[in-house]
Amino acid sequence: EAGVVQSPRYKIIEKKQPVAFWCNPISGHNTLYWYRQNLGQGPELLIRYENEEAVDDSQLPKDRFSAERLKGVDSTLKIQPAELGDSAVYLCASSRIAGLTTYEQYFGPGTRLTVT
Amino acid sequence: AQRVTQPEKLLSVFKGAPVELKCNYSYSGSPELFWYVQYSRQRLQLLLRHISRESIKGFTADLNKGETSFHLKKPFAQEEDSAMYYCALSGAAGGTSYGKLTFGQGTILTVHP
Repeated sequence: EAGVVQSPRYKIIEKKQPVAFWCNPISGHNTLYWYRQNLGQGPELLIRYENEEAVDDSQLPKDRFSAERLKGVDSTLKIQPAELGDSAVYLCASSRIAGLTTYEQYFGPGTRLTVT
Repeated sequence: AQRVTQPEKLLSVFKGAPVELKCNYSYSGSPELFWYVQYSRQRLQLLLRHISRESIKGFTADLNKGETSFHLKKPFAQEEDSAMYYCALSGAAGGTSYGKLTFGQGTILTVHP
């Protein structure tokens, strides 16, 4: 099966510029996650979608970050404007949830963002 | 709040030696615990979860609720086990944090020939 697809893989921008990341989850996975991974740290959840609904966005810095998952499939994460501290790897993951069971999260390759 | 602590950033062993990667957690309730692994130039992937009680690639992990630990063990390390290992926690089914993974900082395991 095709895995989680993310693009771009690398992005270098100047501070104050906007940037967007795209994620296509595994077919049939109703839950999608965006994580941020700073250098030397584990991934931290930014937002979780179940279908098209954001069920947990408590960790998303809403002043500059936004996300959408139209039609409950692909998702886009945007930063506007970017700051130096946003340099990190942005990971997308997907899984199935059925009833009270969450199945394994499958991760994409990530987008490495460098803000200069 | 849920928290995962991996006290060792780096761990080096020789091939054939036993290895133990430590993980301690903080959570009020009954969590689900996981180990994820990232091999060089590969994606982050699930290694094992405590509810499965499986041995994957020779690795096992036992949830110790008294010590709030979920250490990963392998009796005889192999060179191909060299990777970054993350311990992660999710809230119990039915709770607000169910399905939300909290990761530790990771341990880089190097197995020398």
